[in-house]
Amino acid sequence: GAVVSQHPSWVICKSGTSVKIECRSLDFQATTMFWYRQFPKQSLMLMATSNEGSKATYEQGVEKDKFLINHASLTLSTLTVTSAHPEDSSFYICSASTGGVTEAFFGQGTRLTVV
Amino acid sequence: GQNIDQPTEMTATEGAIVQINCTYQTSGFNGLFWYQQHAGEAPTFLSYNVLDGLEEKGRFSSFLSRSKGYSYLLLKELQMKDSASYLCAVKDSNYQLIWGAGTKLIIKP
Repeated sequence: GAVVSQHPSWVICKSGTSVKIECRSLDFQATTMFWYRQFPKQSLMLMATSNEGSKATYEQGVEKDKFLINHASLTLSTLTVTSAHPEDSSFYICSASTGGVTEAFFGQGTRLTVV
Repeated sequence: GQNIDQPTEMTATEGAIVQINCTYQTSGFNGLFWYQQHAGEAPTFLSYNVLDGLEEKGRFSSFLSRSKGYSYLLLKELQMKDSASYLCAVKDSNYQLIWGAGTKLIIKP
């Protein structure tokens, strides 16, 4: 199957700092990338959908100024958590799709801990 | 609203068979997916159904009935490594994946 690489796998940062997470599709062009957040023992929650070259579409309740998403190319999307707080600590997962009915391919996830 | 229901937790015995059910109500339907997720890891794709019927893939099979808004994932010859959460997801009319809360499957020796 297709490979999606997410980096870093885990990060610890101080409260008030910003963290950037990268999501790359290694062997296909991802027209659409999705960013999810998952709290312990809970399901995946979609944060935003981004299409290459256009602004991301954020889900209700997700602050677009806090979670900056850039999808500058067909193989790279980034999520920047700005001014991170302990409540932002979570498992962040990206997925990439060529669109349509095909399955989405997931990155390995990033465990963010804000101290 | 859109809704996907799965049991929260199931327990089964190694070597046995288990069926995990999923019911859905979504705005449009463009396929149903089953994913496996081990704790602390990203989901991995298991199966895809878009037409009614049974799709078999090794020890795993997935069934879909669109008229009933119902699917199940059948796992045979259970192994300890099958202990994981199983996520049901539906692509709606916008091709966006709507996720169920997941079913935690516990396998006992």
